[in-house]
Amino acid sequence: SQKIEQNSEALNIQEGKTATLTCNYTNYSPAYLQWYRQDPGRGPVFLLLIRENEKEKRKERLKVTFDTTLKQSLFHITASQPADSATYLCALASGTYKYIFGTGTRLKVLA
Amino acid sequence: GAGVSQSPSNKVTEKGKDVELRCDPISGHTALYWYRQSLGQGLEFLIYFQGNSAPDKSGLPSDRFSAERTGGSVSTLTIQRTQQEDSAVYLCASSLEGGVGNIQYFGAGTRLSVL
Repeated sequence: SQKIEQNSEALNIQEGKTATLTCNYTNYSPAYLQWYRQDPGRGPVFLLLIRENEKEKRKERLKVTFDTTLKQSLFHITASQPADSATYLCALASGTYKYIFGTGTRLKVLA
Repeated sequence: GAGVSQSPSNKVTEKGKDVELRCDPISGHTALYWYRQSLGQGLEFLIYFQGNSAPDKSGLPSDRFSAERTGGSVSTLTIQRTQQEDSAVYLCASSLEGGVGNIQYFGAGTRLSVL
């Protein structure tokens, strides 16, 4: 069955460093992959979308890579700030309109 | 505001009671999703509405769950005879069009607690 794995352990990093979050998947060939940010008590907020034929996408301090051979996406936040502390979800397209979401990785940026 | 609105934000109910959760999508958005998020779990797809097409109800966990979308806008998720395992956050999302290339805009969710 289709499976998405995100590191369930919280990631703590020092302010100013680059945070790297991982999303691995199996039994799956998604055409699109999205990353969302979720703060406590709130719904997810869209950050980036990347297509299967794109290796990398950037937006300000954010960068996403999509390796369809390794079946992995990496999400980077450069020059991290305490305000970046949140849970980050990856979501993989399944079919024409559905997304399957990972459980998310909680990031804490320490001042 | 212009975002997705969900009500109530919190709902506490007794086992066996029926509950109705409401979602007001962004105006003009044709696609609407319902998800369930349990503690430590990913978002679980429940149902998808797109325009006037028949909804995809494949994610509804049991026949106690139903949803409708009136006039292509507001949607209501109904859970009959609630059980303790129904306790979760129910999230609604809308997108301008159906299709995986579109961004989903989420509401803040309804936190349901079944005692």
